[in-house]
Amino acid sequence: GQQVMQIPQYQHVQEGEDFTTYCNSSTTLSNIQWYKQRPGGHPVFLIQLVKSGEVKKQKRLTFQFGEAKKNSSLHITATQTTDVGTYFCAGGNNQGGKLIFGQGTELSVKP
Amino acid sequence: NAGVTQTPKFQVLKTGQSMTLQCAQDMNHEYMSWYRQDPGMGLRLIHYSVGAGITDQGEVPNGYNVSRSTTEDFPLRLLSAAPSQTSVYFCASSQPGQGSYEQYFGPGTRLTVT
Repeated sequence: GQQVMQIPQYQHVQEGEDFTTYCNSSTTLSNIQWYKQRPGGHPVFLIQLVKSGEVKKQKRLTFQFGEAKKNSSLHITATQTTDVGTYFCAGGNNQGGKLIFGQGTELSVKP
Repeated sequence: NAGVTQTPKFQVLKTGQSMTLQCAQDMNHEYMSWYRQDPGMGLRLIHYSVGAGITDQGEVPNGYNVSRSTTEDFPLRLLSAAPSQTSVYFCASSQPGQGSYEQYFGPGTRLTVT
């Protein structure tokens, strides 16, 4: 079945450093979504990418969808302590609301 | 709007007991899903529904049943609880519009099976 792999599992950075998490799917995706989960909280939607090669930005966050629509990345510039949490990618393949999540990358930021 | 609500927030069961995790949404969303979250495993899809009366299996459906008699409610039943079902369970809903599948998650139910 479809698998979505995400690396790294953990990332510890000093405040102000950049951060990137990568997501790879075993199959071509129709769309990819990114979520953030704060410690003790629930996942919260950040963004959806649908087009091959698409790049979207949200302030310090940059999201990319690969040309083959099988990989994606999230880059945070100049991390802040408010960026702490676990970031998940989730791949969709046009099967209604069915999403397959990656394992997540837990980001910790040292002030 | 309350969004997606889940009850209970915490539950302890003994092996072999059964229970139902409740999930409700007030956004008139067509799609609803159940996930379990375990350390290092991310969120794994248990069952999902694309509308009232329609359900389908996800990645890890064994040991769980669902039904969708109304648009608002999507309960998850554990038939005979096992320690391997100790996890945090999240319910989510979405309403596809112009290709968007953004999911709204409930606060979760933390289940321990002893």
